[in-house]
Amino acid sequence: AQSVTQLDSQVPVFEEAPVELRCNYSSSVSVYLFWYVQYPNQGLQLLLKYLSGSTLVKGINGFEAEFNKSQTSFHLRKPSVHISDTAEYFCAVSNTDSWGKLQFGAGTQVVVTP
Amino acid sequence: KAGVTQTPRYLIKTRGQQVTLSCSPISGHRSVSWYQQTPGQGLQFLFEYFSETQRNKGNFPGRFSGRQFSNSRSEMNVSTLELGDSALYLCASSPQGAGSNEQFFGPGTRLTVL
Repeated sequence: AQSVTQLDSQVPVFEEAPVELRCNYSSSVSVYLFWYVQYPNQGLQLLLKYLSGSTLVKGINGFEAEFNKSQTSFHLRKPSVHISDTAEYFCAVSNTDSWGKLQFGAGTQVVVTP
Repeated sequence: KAGVTQTPRYLIKTRGQQVTLSCSPISGHRSVSWYQQTPGQGLQFLFEYFSETQRNKGNFPGRFSGRQFSNSRSEMNVSTLELGDSALYLCASSPQGAGSNEQFFGPGTRLTVL
């Protein structure tokens, strides 16, 4: 069984400030890791994914994440946020046996204020 | 390429009724997954279909069912609706449904049960 924990339910941040969203996972097998973003009244959009290789992953819209196997973490960062980054962010995991199944964290609501 | 489409976008039903939701995947994608999103339970995996076969299933009662057609379009059905079935139902498609595949999400169907 696998689980995903997003450590912050809400993160307030000022425009142009950096933000870090924390994600920890547990799994008995190797996993693939994803970060998705959901804007109001929309579906989910992939920001970035870690499958293998370099532990620092760069995604869209200036986001990046670092995979840490020893700490079973996959934290998402952005050095300077915009108002348009206000959204809900989901960390998700899957493995080679989980056909079509993503296990999601509870989500982190990011609120960017001027 | 057109994205994942879901119809209808909004639906209001009463307890005891049944409902059918439709999902058209991205052209060429053969895997379709369904998720339920609620404020209390978050994003939960319902099931996944590939080449008209259900390959994976989440922990939902038998009132939740689905199918996939030869053109990869998928439908999910909920019978004997309960108030707790009110949710956003998201469909996602991917090429093969493998754990490493990115899933592309539709905008969702918002179901309200009165």
